Amino acid sequence: AQSVTQLGSHVSVSEGALVLLRCNYSSSVPPYLFWYVQYPNQGLQLLLKYTTGATLVKGINGFEAEFKKSETSFHLTKPSAHMSDAAEYFCAVRVWSNTGKLIFGQGTTLQVKP
Amino acid sequence: KAGVTQTPRYLIKTRGQQVTLSCSPISGHRSVSWYQQTPGQGLQFLFEYFSETQRNKGNFPGRFSGRQFSNSRSEMNVSTLELGDSALYLCASEKGQAIPDEQFFGPGTRLTVL
Repeated sequence: AQSVTQLGSHVSVSEGALVLLRCNYSSSVPPYLFWYVQYPNQGLQLLLKYTTGATLVKGINGFEAEFKKSETSFHLTKPSAHMSDAAEYFCAVRVWSNTGKLIFGQGTTLQVKP
Repeated sequence: KAGVTQTPRYLIKTRGQQVTLSCSPISGHRSVSWYQQTPGQGLQFLFEYFSETQRNKGNFPGRFSGRQFSNSRSEMNVSTLELGDSALYLCASEKGQAIPDEQFFGPGTRLTVL
């Protein structure tokens, strides 16, 4: 069965510091991987996705993630945190291309301190 | 292009009642997926509809059902509501083509069961 583990339910960084949100997945077949962000009282917005090709994926708002098959990881990074990055972040895996089913991690709340 | 819309945004029901939630996908999108979000269980997949057919189903009791209309609009129904059904219900639409694409999420319907 496929699963996603996000290490750390809460991460706190100072404004301008590196953001690193960790995600590990379990899948018996090559996965499709996604990072979503959720602001309070809103739905989810896609930050970036990995389907095939280049393993370093760049997304919106300066975020990027690297797919490492050997480590079964898809960690999300941003070189310099901004106050507006404070939100909840979800890593998700999708195994089959013919279904819309996403399996989400438990989420990581990012706090950005001034 | 208009985004995914969900109605109503907020709903209060009592135990034993039933409820119907509506989702209008982005124009041209044929796939609609539903998710339940709770603080304890996180984001869990309910079901997906593609061209009026249920394509995938999560592990929820039969009280949870859905359907999709010819214009791709979708509804989900929960019968005999329980306190534990209180959650944010999110729907997501996608083109539904073979290559996994971005799922666009609506703002959600916040259901409170008293």
